[in-house]
Amino acid sequence: GENVGLHLPTLSVQEGDNSIINCAYSNSASDYFIWYKQESGKGPQFIIDIRSNMDKRQGQRVTVLLNKTVKHLSLQIAATQPGDSAVYFCAENFMNYGGATNKLIFGTGTLLAVQP
Amino acid sequence: DAGVTQSPTHLIKTRGQHVTLRCSPISGHKSVSWYQQVLGQGPQFIFQYYEKEERGRGNFPDRFSARQFPNYSSELNVNALLLGDSALYLCASSLTDRVQRGGPNEQFFGPGTRLTVL
Repeated sequence: GENVGLHLPTLSVQEGDNSIINCAYSNSASDYFIWYKQESGKGPQFIIDIRSNMDKRQGQRVTVLLNKTVKHLSLQIAATQPGDSAVYFCAENFMNYGGATNKLIFGTGTLLAVQP
Repeated sequence: DAGVTQSPTHLIKTRGQHVTLRCSPISGHKSVSWYQQVLGQGPQFIFQYYEKEERGRGNFPDRFSARQFPNYSSELNVNALLLGDSALYLCASSLTDRVQRGGPNEQFFGPGTRLTVL
């Protein structure tokens, strides 16, 4: 499949280590944030989400942290595995004038490369 | 259960031609959104449709149009293709048109259609 990671920031980690991927979002009015994983040749896949009334949410092996003061999101992956190798995007839900829609604003993405 | 399906998977066109891309949402989902993903970048929102009505439009020229059918499938049309239209076009489906209070309205993405304009 095509390499969706061309020209993207890259994080290279050893298998078993913890990974931290960072993202800065743009709209202070956004109140819902999602992390997506995109493997080569596939569409983005939902990993975990968080609403703006929270600053931390945990899933299975993943944790999302939200800092609204500096408009920053991070995704922590525990015990990173080769299958975690992919491009990771953060996305914010854009609150338009008429109310919430499904429109998502995506960040530029980070390529996670897991070395065995 | 089938996920979001898109056709064709790959397409090659020349400048000035037009193209129609198709998307079938997950059964029961009534909202379809289209995104353009240029190589090396994140997806960019083009359109959202819900119950056959346009609910949102991104910053794309009028050469881009879309519609949703009674069975909730959708087509994205692009006229007068330019080299810069070369991208992966993603379709995402969700149950309703907006994020629900107290819970997410997850969008499920299809595998995309890779459009190359020569």
